[in-house]
Amino acid sequence: DGGITQSPKYLFRKEGQNVTLSCEQNLNHDAMYWYRQDPGQGLRLIYYSQIVNDFQKGDIAEGYSVSREKKESFPLTVTSAQKNPTAFYLCASSTSTSGRTGELFFGEGSRLTVL
Amino acid sequence: QQQVKQSPQSLIVQKGGISIINCAYENTAFDYFPWYQQFPGKGPALLIAIRPDVSEKKEGRFTISFNKSAKQFSLHIMDSQPGDSATYFCAAFTGGATNKLIFGTGTLLAVQP
Repeated sequence: DGGITQSPKYLFRKEGQNVTLSCEQNLNHDAMYWYRQDPGQGLRLIYYSQIVNDFQKGDIAEGYSVSREKKESFPLTVTSAQKNPTAFYLCASSTSTSGRTGELFFGEGSRLTVL
Repeated sequence: QQQVKQSPQSLIVQKGGISIINCAYENTAFDYFPWYQQFPGKGPALLIAIRPDVSEKKEGRFTISFNKSAKQFSLHIMDSQPGDSATYFCAAFTGGATNKLIFGTGTLLAVQP
């Protein structure tokens, strides 16, 4: 089945460690996104990528990094510079058409807990 | 200007009742208003969406009402069912050079049997 796969589903990290969250899609979508979800704050955009080898910062990019070497993959690294990394991270994608209306397809998320 | 304000934060409705979630925005450049439904431990999924040139859109038990002059829109869930219990996010999208989707803060709906 086509969809977006995020891994791992749960991740624990010690303070000061970098961690990479995986996002893979087989929908042949051009655009991919990373959102962070915190209770009572909705979804906030971290990074997005419209095409391979290109990406832009979202509203809360500090302490995060991404790469887009393949159309199918958009990994997110949470670095030690991120002050409050404990959150639910969501990856999403869109087609060139659906992206023009804000119709995103989301993965099931990765919950990161910093110990 | 870029915010979408959503209320209430949480809502409890009896089975068969009507659930109403409200959202308001300031930026008149927004041109598409989707609603997303999220079940616990899952990612959000598009539920229903509306353009500002339409005052109402209905899909099954879900209806969006849109008031362009007041810059407000709402989601109505008729005959609410326990299976509708989820978090609902309104959102607003502005295309063109900005191409940005702004989410509301979410409403946790619990439908009691």
